[in-house]
Amino acid sequence: DVVMTQSPLSLPVTLGQPASISCRSSQSLVHSDGNTYFNWFQQRPGQSPRRLIYKVFNRDSGVPDRFSGSGSGTDFTLKISRVETEDVGVYFCMQHTHWPWTFGQGTKVEI
Amino acid sequence: EVQLVESGGGLVQPGGSLRLSCAASGFTLSSSWMSWVRQAPGKGLECVATIKQGGSDKYYVDSVKGRFTISIDNAENSLYLQMNSLRAEDTAVYYCARGSGISWGQGTLVTVSS
Repeated sequence: DVVMTQSPLSLPVTLGQPASISCRSSQSLVHSDGNTYFNWFQQRPGQSPRRLIYKVFNRDSGVPDRFSGSGSGTDFTLKISRVETEDVGVYFCMQHTHWPWTFGQGTKVEI
Repeated sequence: EVQLVESGGGLVQPGGSLRLSCAASGFTLSSSWMSWVRQAPGKGLECVATIKQGGSDKYYVDSVKGRFTISIDNAENSLYLQMNSLRAEDTAVYYCARGSGISWGQGTLVTVSS
């Protein structure tokens, strides 16, 4: 199975300041079709996960542009340009290039 | 508007069975990849079963292979997860998710305990 390793696991942030989360996969996430099937999710307390980013850098509809994704191969990053109160929660990376689809352990973002 | 509503969770004894349902609206289930993703209390996410659009191919994580079955009822536009031989480690909130997670239900709690 592809192991997804996030860092840090806990991220204290300051309102208005940038924040960054890293995710590394144990093998390349480049599919034979040329796409990289890598997503970022946000899970606010008591809520279901919400997809923020798909295929590395594409923002989902309604996701603020302060969220951005980057990376390639095995190394990926989620950046929040200016943290807001509503960004508190746990962030997960996920790959669906290889079965089984696997998630990172989660990064808890707190003010 | 796309909506996914899970049901069927509850308390079951080890070795028992449960059938989870996910009622979809706003889109045709069979046109999407659909998955069941679980989250043990205070833990991360695990995709346990996925069905390809059209229902021709199904995938299971090793820990549930032979015990869980994912299926779709096109007439009901619903996704199911039949869970047999349940174990304590299957205790989790089970979510149905569309595609690679573009939409999620609210989840249903499965507790396996004597």
